[in-house]
Amino acid sequence: DVKVTQSSRYLVKRTGEKVFLECVQDMDHENMFWYRQDPGLGLRLIYFSYDVKMKEKGDIPEGYSVSREKKERFSLILESASTNQTSMYLCASSLFEQETQYFGPGTRLLVL
Amino acid sequence: TQLLEQSPQFLSIQEGENLTVYCNSSSVFSSLQWYRQEPGEGPVLLVTVVTGGEVKKLKRLTFQFGDARKDSSLHITAAQPGDTGLYLCAGPTSGTYKYIFGTGTRLKVLA
Repeated sequence: DVKVTQSSRYLVKRTGEKVFLECVQDMDHENMFWYRQDPGLGLRLIYFSYDVKMKEKGDIPEGYSVSREKKERFSLILESASTNQTSMYLCASSLFEQETQYFGPGTRLLVL
Repeated sequence: TQLLEQSPQFLSIQEGENLTVYCNSSSVFSSLQWYRQEPGEGPVLLVTVVTGGEVKKLKRLTFQFGDARKDSSLHITAAQPGDTGLYLCAGPTSGTYKYIFGTGTRLKVLA
């Protein structure tokens, strides 16, 4: 079974803090994704990576950056957290382009 | 722009009833996925359909991919409270790594 894990289930941070969200997949998948999910807005793609050290912006990259130093790990970084970044963050991975995506359990982030 | 529209948005039914959820697009998809998401959790994959006209069954859940690969449906027979959750359809966009997700159907099954 594909397993995608996220480092934290719940996080509470203060405005202006630097926040790291970690995601690890154990199935040697090429592609990894970060989404945020908000009521009424559905899932929105922040960034994705199709190879180690490769990244591409999604639909809402502003205020975020990512890092993929190893194939199994994809990190989302909030450089200076703001209250409008309070959300559910979901990581996903897929084997190849256009293949099924598998999701982690999510990190619920609250920025005060 | 490829879009996936789901209907209904909300559904509240009694245990034992049947229901169908729809996922529609004007675009052709190479495959469609259905996920169920429970509150506070990530989406869990239920099924992938890839062939036009394909029907897949998962216990009381029946998934169908339209002949033209533009739509899909999820039918639940004799719904149970454990079926409660947000049902999402999703599919890959043409020529990119991106997926698009439907707006979701929030199902509540009352005991």
